[in-house]
Amino acid sequence: KNEVEQSPQNLTAQEGEFITINCSYSVGISALHWLQQHPGGGIVSLFMLSSGKKKHGRLIATINIQEKHSSLHITASHPRDSAVYICAVREYGNKLVFGAGTILRVKS
Amino acid sequence: SQTIHQWPATLVQPVGSPLSLECTVEGTSNPNLYWYRQAAGRGLQLLFYSVGIGQISSEVPQNLSASRPQDRQFILSSKKLLLSDSGFYLCAWERTGLSTLHFGNGTRLTVT
Repeated sequence: KNEVEQSPQNLTAQEGEFITINCSYSVGISALHWLQQHPGGGIVSLFMLSSGKKKHGRLIATINIQEKHSSLHITASHPRDSAVYICAVREYGNKLVFGAGTILRVKS
Repeated sequence: SQTIHQWPATLVQPVGSPLSLECTVEGTSNPNLYWYRQAAGRGLQLLFYSVGIGQISSEVPQNLSASRPQDRQFILSSKKLLLSDSGFYLCAWERTGLSTLHFGNGTRLTVT
């Protein structure tokens, strides 16, 4: 079993839909990252959080430390949101473990 | 502002040839530096990380090595490439302590 599990693996949505991507992990962590990988391969850090909730534009990330679970929400989705979204957890000792990613396609 | 440079962007090399990928960071000092590999259709795999000059930790024993000759320079090398070394290689940096990760644009390596 992977230490970091993301769901769904693939997601297709219509423009304007509310999107949720989930991340569950099995180890103790000091922080969790949400990353976005564009079709060309470049990766951008969206959020780093260790508790609660963060919001940036149409993106919202939440984390529940007790349940070892995080969600990334996209409101009013747009085709330009199409990308791979990656969850990564920072274990104690500084090691980062990555989920396999969620491939999101938003259709207009 | 801080920037990260990674080159080359694409590389096609024959099996058995050497490899050198370079990553440099500007605008910060003493960053943590990372090399990751992403095989086709798979997630990111940590290869090496460094918390200082000359300090390299290897996560996965393999055909690759890393060096940090200067504070903001991180090099990924191989003496003899294997077909299985093909993939997308990403360099990343962060400030020490809990911090946001910043990625380079990646190098797509094809070993033929």
